[in-house]
Amino acid sequence: DAMVIQNPRYQVTQFGKPVTLSCSQTLNHNVMYWYQQKSSQAPKLLFHYYDKDFNNEADTPDNFQSRRPNTSFCFLDIRSPGLGDAAMYLCATSRDRQNRGGPQHFGDGTRLSIL
Amino acid sequence: GDSVTQMEGPVTLSEEAFLTINCTYTATGYPSLFWYVQYPGEGLQLLLKATKADDKGSNKGFEATYRKETTSFHLEKGSVQVSDSAVYFCALSPSGGYQKVTFGIGTKLQVIP
Repeated sequence: DAMVIQNPRYQVTQFGKPVTLSCSQTLNHNVMYWYQQKSSQAPKLLFHYYDKDFNNEADTPDNFQSRRPNTSFCFLDIRSPGLGDAAMYLCATSRDRQNRGGPQHFGDGTRLSIL
Repeated sequence: GDSVTQMEGPVTLSEEAFLTINCTYTATGYPSLFWYVQYPGEGLQLLLKATKADDKGSNKGFEATYRKETTSFHLEKGSVQVSDSAVYFCALSPSGGYQKVTFGIGTKLQVIP
């Protein structure tokens, strides 16, 4: 009964080769988030969608983009991955960003390795 | 800007020991405060939260009280189990408007039998 599903769990790509990570949710939540988490560090918010409204964090590199074709799915695209982009990528959801709550449900993450 | 400071880990405890993980924050106004837990190989789970001063969040035997006067939100549990071994993240969400959550660095807890 997983509610936020990330695929794949492990992804290996080559330096500079575009890669897409996917996230789906069965909660019908309005907000979907993408976080980057490097080893022994706090998760760092890259961007979020409130419904179809895309919100990019100021310090998110242009190399990172996202798509949300419908309520259930959200994708993270890394156009030209560098070695510094190797990390765990976490997708999360919340019902509404105005509820004074943070992300409520996380997926298990995709661990990205760059060769 | 907003920040969260957690005690450095790892913290190693024997089963049934008392747990405290310290967390202090810097933020304007009245942020919401959270504890998340991350078990090995998994994503984060929201463990508990508090949205105003003196609120106590609790879940699965864990508790934390929102202390505005000391800007703290320490996590406690009276008797830890091996299954509590995980990384615990303190986090805040600023008051008003869209809330971007700021996480602490995380504290790894290892409970030994």
